[in-house]
Amino acid sequence: QKEVEQDPGPLSVPEGAIVSLNCTYSNSAFQYFMWYRQYSRKGPELLMYTYSSGNKEDGRFTAQVDKSSKYISLFIRDSQPSDSATYLCAMSPYSGGGADGLTFGKGTHLIIQP
Amino acid sequence: DTAVSQTPKYLVTQMGNDKSIKCEQNLGHDTMYWYKQDSKKFLKIMFSYNNKELIINETVPNRFSPKSPDKAHLNLHINSLELGDSAVYFCASSQVFYGANDEQFFGPGTRLTVL
Repeated sequence: QKEVEQDPGPLSVPEGAIVSLNCTYSNSAFQYFMWYRQYSRKGPELLMYTYSSGNKEDGRFTAQVDKSSKYISLFIRDSQPSDSATYLCAMSPYSGGGADGLTFGKGTHLIIQP
Repeated sequence: DTAVSQTPKYLVTQMGNDKSIKCEQNLGHDTMYWYKQDSKKFLKIMFSYNNKELIINETVPNRFSPKSPDKAHLNLHINSLELGDSAVYFCASSQVFYGANDEQFFGPGTRLTVL
């Protein structure tokens, strides 16, 4: 079993829909959870950063962490074609990644249809 | 200004060659990383480096070696390149190894193709 599981998609939804992206993990030591967005042939850029369980909202994006279920989610409201990208979940026991770096999911390829 | 930069952006080379990828960060961070993203887009840590302390992921062949001339740079040297080394390599940096509310910033990546 991989440490972080993420459905690679592709996930295709119409513009304006609510998108739900998810990851499950097995390492109970993970405390910090991130979502990165990666456009084609670009580096990952940080979208959301959360610590431990709970919700965090930033504009159209909401990140949820349920440590009891080892399950994290990213919701995108009013999705736009510019949101089309690969979304990578990442996690670590340590804030900046620590010596072991971040552990990533495989990424979900999201397509927002105009 | 680019926070984390890498050169070259593309690198095409023959099997058996030795090559280097440069990484620079202008964020004043103490910690830098190298990740490999394979053809299935899976990002995996290779090295982390902080104040002369180097942590090597056990799966990385010893043909790969990072070198840090100063705090702002962590270059990746690869000897005797193999077909399986073809991937996108990302450099990243963070403030410290174990900080509070820290995050990693990634470079744009170097796409290595070994023929």
